Amino acid sequence: DADVTQTPRNRITKTGKRIMLECSQTKGHDRMYWYRQDPGLGLRLIYYSFDVKDINKGEISDGYSVSRQAQAKFSLSLESAIPNQTALYFCATSGGGGETQYFGPGTRLLVL
Amino acid sequence: GENVEQHPSTLSVQEGDSAVIKCTYSDSASNYFPWYKQELGKRPQLIIDIRSNVGEKKDQRIAVTLNKTAKHFSLHITETQPEDSAVYFCAAATSYGKLTFGQGTILTVHP
Repeated sequence: DADVTQTPRNRITKTGKRIMLECSQTKGHDRMYWYRQDPGLGLRLIYYSFDVKDINKGEISDGYSVSRQAQAKFSLSLESAIPNQTALYFCATSGGGGETQYFGPGTRLLVL
Repeated sequence: GENVEQHPSTLSVQEGDSAVIKCTYSDSASNYFPWYKQELGKRPQLIIDIRSNVGEKKDQRIAVTLNKTAKHFSLHITETQPEDSAVYFCAAATSYGKLTFGQGTILTVHP
């Protein structure tokens, strides 16, 4: 689904570095989400935003922060990356009165 | 908060057989239950969903059933094909819209 894009697609960083993952959507949705996927643990919600002025913590927000720069953009930051933040990160959107979430292609992050 | 348990974690079937994946949820206020399929290296994509005012929903070879009293719902795939091989996730949400996912089931369909 090219309507939800994520950059970068792959990233290798070192412990202690600050990194930002970006998500953009052209679906016109008001709701955006950041998930983390680890083997055997499914998709866990990090942060979510129901509009530009609304930011909410998910179940695993420690060590992460987000910024909703515009309706179409939602960024996830790791202020000081640590190895156990190595994972696959997905952005998702929903809106238009529907509950279906549409996922971006994912960002594979490796923290050394 | 909501807790979703999904079983089995892996499922192996022969082509043409049926596959069933089961999920339970904890929050009785949950009223929306989607199922997502994730192929290897791809993003999760919605395959079917059900709302709490419906007991069963079908779409060709896939169906979902919901038992609100027992707080469980299931995905049924009939006449499985090798292209059904993927990871399947169930999820639950209240009207507030925040999804809680199960741990996933790796389905392998052998030709």
